Amino acid sequence: SQQGEEDPQALSIQEGENATMNCSYKTSINNLQWYRQNSGRGLVHLILIRSNEREKHSGRLRVTLDTSKKSSSLLITASRAADTASYFCATGSQGGSEKLVFGKGTKLTVNP
Amino acid sequence: DAGITQSPRHKVTETGTPVTLRCHQTENHRYMYWYRQDPGHGLRLIHYSYGVKDTDKGEVSDGYSVSRSKTEDFLLTLESATSSQTSVYFCAITDRGRTDTQYFGPGTRLTVL
Repeated sequence: SQQGEEDPQALSIQEGENATMNCSYKTSINNLQWYRQNSGRGLVHLILIRSNEREKHSGRLRVTLDTSKKSSSLLITASRAADTASYFCATGSQGGSEKLVFGKGTKLTVNP
Repeated sequence: DAGITQSPRHKVTETGTPVTLRCHQTENHRYMYWYRQDPGHGLRLIHYSYGVKDTDKGEVSDGYSVSRSKTEDFLLTLESATSSQTSVYFCAITDRGRTDTQYFGPGTRLTVL
């Protein structure tokens, strides 16, 4: 069963706009990660946030984590056409589990 | 793709035939994973390995078996392929095996007719 659920399922924006994707999960986590998948390719890791962190930045990416609400958001600022991809959240459970559970993804389209 | 290759990249087979997919890594990472990706389901874990000859089941392991006789190779076998196993299969590896970053291979597109 899926742990993370991304919202929205699909998002279409114009170049230069910001894109926000949300992820909700059900059980306690050790960390939450975001991955990107370009069409026909494997997933690429973007950013990891641990359960004791509230916000993290990496370039144009900003991730927030609210463990009380069991939710996370990924913000991509000043989006580019090259950001067009599917974005997945993945959670690692407490207790040091070596497994990640992935959500179903948000498909982002950035129009030039 | 972080030193991960998958073979074959595409395969078409018939129902009832055995199929083996190979994942090869050059990173010497301890943990290796097999996922399947289907529309509407995201990625689902089939099996994973935490060392040579050490494997465990994931969420959707029925109909699949795995083997790992060397650190660098992780094989996924469909003993008797069914149409429901038509999917894109991804291999992933991680270095510390504590739910840190996973690195993915390019995927294998399998069609079972």
